[in-house]
Amino acid sequence: QKEVEQDPGPLSVPEGAIVSLNCTYSNSAFQYFMWYRQYSRKGPELLMYTYSSGNKEDGRFTAQVDKSSKYISLFIRDSQPSDSATYLCAPQKAGNKLTFGGGTRVLVKP
Amino acid sequence: KAGVTQTPRYLIKTRGQQVTLSCSPISGHRSVSWYQQTPGQGLQFLFEYFSETQRNKGNFPGRFSGRQFSNSRSEMNVSTLELGDSALYLCASSPEGQGYEQYFGPGTRLTVT
Repeated sequence: QKEVEQDPGPLSVPEGAIVSLNCTYSNSAFQYFMWYRQYSRKGPELLMYTYSSGNKEDGRFTAQVDKSSKYISLFIRDSQPSDSATYLCAPQKAGNKLTFGGGTRVLVKP
Repeated sequence: KAGVTQTPRYLIKTRGQQVTLSCSPISGHRSVSWYQQTPGQGLQFLFEYFSETQRNKGNFPGRFSGRQFSNSRSEMNVSTLELGDSALYLCASSPEGQGYEQYFGPGTRLTVT
């Protein structure tokens, strides 16, 4: 079993809809929880990170972490075609090693 | 600030050869990490360097090695290339003490034939 599981998608939504993405993980030592966005043929781009459990909002993006259930979520409000990309969750223990989920491909249709 | 740069962007090598990839981190970032991305395995951590020392290492064979220079620039080397080494190799840099803020370069796409 992988340390971080993520539904590969694709997840197809109409423009303006809420996109809901999630990951589950098995290692309770993870402390930081990052979300990256990756466009085709580009490197991953850091969207936001959360420390421990709780919510964090940044513009149209909201990240949630529930450490008790080892569940990580990312919500994108008012989705735009430019949000079409692969979204990767990446929890991290102390230190700099990121453990990535497999990524969820999102398609936002105009 | 300029972002993380990687050279070359594309590379084609033959099985058995060796290859060296280069990464220049964001100015002021002293930590550099390397990742391999493939369709089957996703993004996997290779190793991390800080102040010219390898600080963390992933589960890759010894054919994969790296180093960091005093200006924080880093190189990774893969010897005796195998077909399975075909991948996108990504470099990421982070500020000291903020390993959760890793900024990735565009990657080097390596094809082994």
